[in-house]
Amino acid sequence: EAGVAQSPRYKIIEKRQSVAFWCNPISGHATLYWYQQILGQGPKLLIQFQNNGVVDDSQLPKDRFSAERLKGVDSTLKIQPAKLEDSAVYLCASSLAGTRNNEQFFGPGTRLTVL
Amino acid sequence: GDSVTQMEGPVTLSEEAFLTINCTYTATGYPSLFWYVQYPGEGLQLLLKATKADDKGSNKGFEATYRKETTSFHLEKGSVQVSDSAVYFCALTRSNFGNEKLTFGTGTRLTIIP
Repeated sequence: EAGVAQSPRYKIIEKRQSVAFWCNPISGHATLYWYQQILGQGPKLLIQFQNNGVVDDSQLPKDRFSAERLKGVDSTLKIQPAKLEDSAVYLCASSLAGTRNNEQFFGPGTRLTVL
Repeated sequence: GDSVTQMEGPVTLSEEAFLTINCTYTATGYPSLFWYVQYPGEGLQLLLKATKADDKGSNKGFEATYRKETTSFHLEKGSVQVSDSAVYFCALTRSNFGNEKLTFGTGTRLTIIP
């Protein structure tokens, strides 16, 4: 079974530029998560989708971050404009459904460096 | 709000040593508890989990027991190997109208020396 796919794996941009990350979850997984992992910290949830609807985006900096999940499958996370403090690894995860104790499967992440 | 506190790292041990990585949590209700592992160059993987008090999760020789009285979920392994070198994250989920986000600790980097 294929795992969660993410691209690109690495991205370097200058501040105030825009960037987009892509995630393809495991087939059949209705729930998709985007986490931000700053160096030396644990991952922090940015946004959670159930199919193509948003369940939780309370920690998403909506003035610069946006995310969508077209047709309830792939998802894109965008940052516009980027700030230095956005340098982090962006992790995508998916699970079968938002029910208690369902395992979340993580992709390899996209490492973003903002100069 | 929910939080997870992990033992500060990095931790360096010799092969075959006994390992303990401490984890305590703060959460209302009855959270589920997890240990995730991140090997070099790879994504996060679930190592083990426990869903209620006194449950013991185990996998690959690692164990952790859900202790509600001490709000802890310490990770242990009796004899570590070089291949166990990785970053270990303690985490919890608390059901909230279908929101199953993971709240993570800061991670503990483990290095095993041959």
